[in-house]
Amino acid sequence: RKEVEQDPGPFNVPEGATVAFNCTYSNSASQSFFWYRQDCRKEPKLLMSVYSSGNEDGRFTAQLNRASQYISLLIRDSKLSDSATYLCVVTETNAGKSTFGDGTTLTVKP
Amino acid sequence: EPEVTQTPSHQVTQMGQEVILRCVPISNHLYFYWYRQILGQKVEFLVSFYNNEISEKSEIFDDQFSVERPDGSNFTLKIRSTKLEDSAMYFCASRGLFRSGNTEAFFGQGTRLTVV
Repeated sequence: RKEVEQDPGPFNVPEGATVAFNCTYSNSASQSFFWYRQDCRKEPKLLMSVYSSGNEDGRFTAQLNRASQYISLLIRDSKLSDSATYLCVVTETNAGKSTFGDGTTLTVKP
Repeated sequence: EPEVTQTPSHQVTQMGQEVILRCVPISNHLYFYWYRQILGQKVEFLVSFYNNEISEKSEIFDDQFSVERPDGSNFTLKIRSTKLEDSAMYFCASRGLFRSGNTEAFFGQGTRLTVV
């Protein structure tokens, strides 16, 4: 089983759509959780941290369920500029090593 | 905004040659990492470095790889004898002290290594 598993995608949606990405992780000792965004041939950039209480940043909402070892990202009112690969990232606090999911590619079309 | 910087942005080298990839982490960060991403594949962890020593390394990080923090600001990845399969984008990342809700890593723009 992969350490971090994401929806395989790709997701192709029209502008304005709501899209949800799911991610599961296998290491129950994992401490910190993030969604990164990666544009083609660029570095991963932090989109948002994910907390057990859930957190929202504008059109983006992230949720963490530690009992189910499940993380989600919801994008509302998607824009063309949201087109990218979204990476679920799980970090072990002690070593700080981050494990990346394979990524889910989103294409938002006019 | 502070950022992680990497040089060069693109390096082409012949198989068997040594390469050194350079990174300047964010100045008050204490944890440093190298990751690689082969074209079309996922980001893979190579090594983490803290307190002037390797804290963890992956199976990919074999004897041909080494890291150094020679002068308190640079963080380098050396590949001693490059192979074709080392061709990838190499990302450096750094992280501050672990505090509640403050554990994200910041990535450099990457060095694209092409071994020919």
